[in-house]
Amino acid sequence: SQQGEEDPQALSIQEGENATMNCSYKTSINNLQWYRQNSGRGLVHLILIRSNEREKHSGRLRVTLDTSKKSSSLLITASRAADTASYFCASGRTYKYIFGTGTRLKVLA
Amino acid sequence: SQTIHQWPATLVQPVGSPLSLECTVEGTSNPNLYWYRQAAGRGLQLLFYSVGIGQISSEVPQNLSASRPQDRQFILSSKKLLLSDSGFYLCAWSPPRSSTDTQYFGPGTRLTVL
Repeated sequence: SQQGEEDPQALSIQEGENATMNCSYKTSINNLQWYRQNSGRGLVHLILIRSNEREKHSGRLRVTLDTSKKSSSLLITASRAADTASYFCASGRTYKYIFGTGTRLKVLA
Repeated sequence: SQTIHQWPATLVQPVGSPLSLECTVEGTSNPNLYWYRQAAGRGLQLLFYSVGIGQISSEVPQNLSASRPQDRQFILSSKKLLLSDSGFYLCAWSPPRSSTDTQYFGPGTRLTVL
């Protein structure tokens, strides 16, 4: 399989805590993207980081990228119950993006 | 604004029956279109992508085919379904000539082959 990998596979935290999930990939990339999927629904784009960027912020989201290690991390600060979902990274270039297996995040109220 | 539709939302089909899933995009022209399959508890597997009418690239050889008869219509088909074709099928689009390929997903079709 050429799929990327996220870890942990599942994460359970209390509301207000921070959630960190990691992604590793195997091929060279133009950019890396993070998506969110609520149960049984389509994916929603969260944030994109280009291969020449090291860190990016968007609201409560912080993404880092280390191309030397072929890895990325997504930090969600001050989590809310509504953040409960699966989170996927997608790495690649032009049309061909490889999605990881996802991290299932559960935020307890 | 752009919207993407998929139908049907759910489908239960017997082994050996044909399949046709449809995806349409509104509010944009010449989008890149994608079909993915997601097995239970797994990531997405890219099946097909298209950069224009009649232009289809297949990523995984299998029992499925795709067609793009109109600019904003993408169809996933099979002549004879297998049990292994069960899964959650997602259609997505991205802007043409985009430097980022951010993809926008439809609501998906859950296919169960019995």
